[in-house]
Amino acid sequence: GAVVSQHPSWVICKSGTSVKIECRSLDFQATTMFWYRQFPKQSLMLMATSNEGSKATYEQGVEKDKFLINHASLTLSTLTVTSAHPEDSSFYICSAHGREGNIQYFGAGTRLSVL
Amino acid sequence: AQSVTQLGSHVSVSEGALVLLRCNYSSSVPPYLFWYVQYPNQGLQLLLKYTSAATLVKGINGFEAEFKKSETSFHLTKPSAHMSDAAEYFCAVSDSGGYQKVTFGTGTKLQVIP
Repeated sequence: GAVVSQHPSWVICKSGTSVKIECRSLDFQATTMFWYRQFPKQSLMLMATSNEGSKATYEQGVEKDKFLINHASLTLSTLTVTSAHPEDSSFYICSAHGREGNIQYFGAGTRLSVL
Repeated sequence: AQSVTQLGSHVSVSEGALVLLRCNYSSSVPPYLFWYVQYPNQGLQLLLKYTSAATLVKGINGFEAEFKKSETSFHLTKPSAHMSDAAEYFCAVSDSGGYQKVTFGTGTKLQVIP
């Protein structure tokens, strides 16, 4: 099946710094990618839909200036958590639609810990 | 609007016993339904999907699910639980048609007792 690579898998940063997370589709082109946030023992909450070559579509309540999304190519989307604070600590997961269109393939996730 | 409800945040079964994880959906249009599995500190892996073809869907690792429109359900089953099945399972729904965003249930943690 389709492979989505997410990097890094774990990052620890100081409060106030910015962190970039990469999501790559390895064997297919993904015009649409999704970014999710998952709190401990909870479900995935969609943060935004990333569209190649255009602005991301953010879900209600998600700060656009806080969570910057760039989808500059058909195989790469990035999520930058700007001026991170401890409350931003979470598990962030990206996904991409495969060739079938209606199936999402997920990255392994990035655990962000802000000190 | 679409949503899924997973009944039971925790389910425990004995090794070799039947696994039944419940999912009910709500959708204003014919839905696509999915079951995903998540192991600790990992992303989600697709177990199976329903996309308006056969109502009984077979997936990986011996899992299957049956779409019942009259009951708006899509329960996940496996005849015999294995220790390696212990994980978190998420039911999800999207509108039919490609490239739609997916709405996830709250998840069910499956514990398998030796």
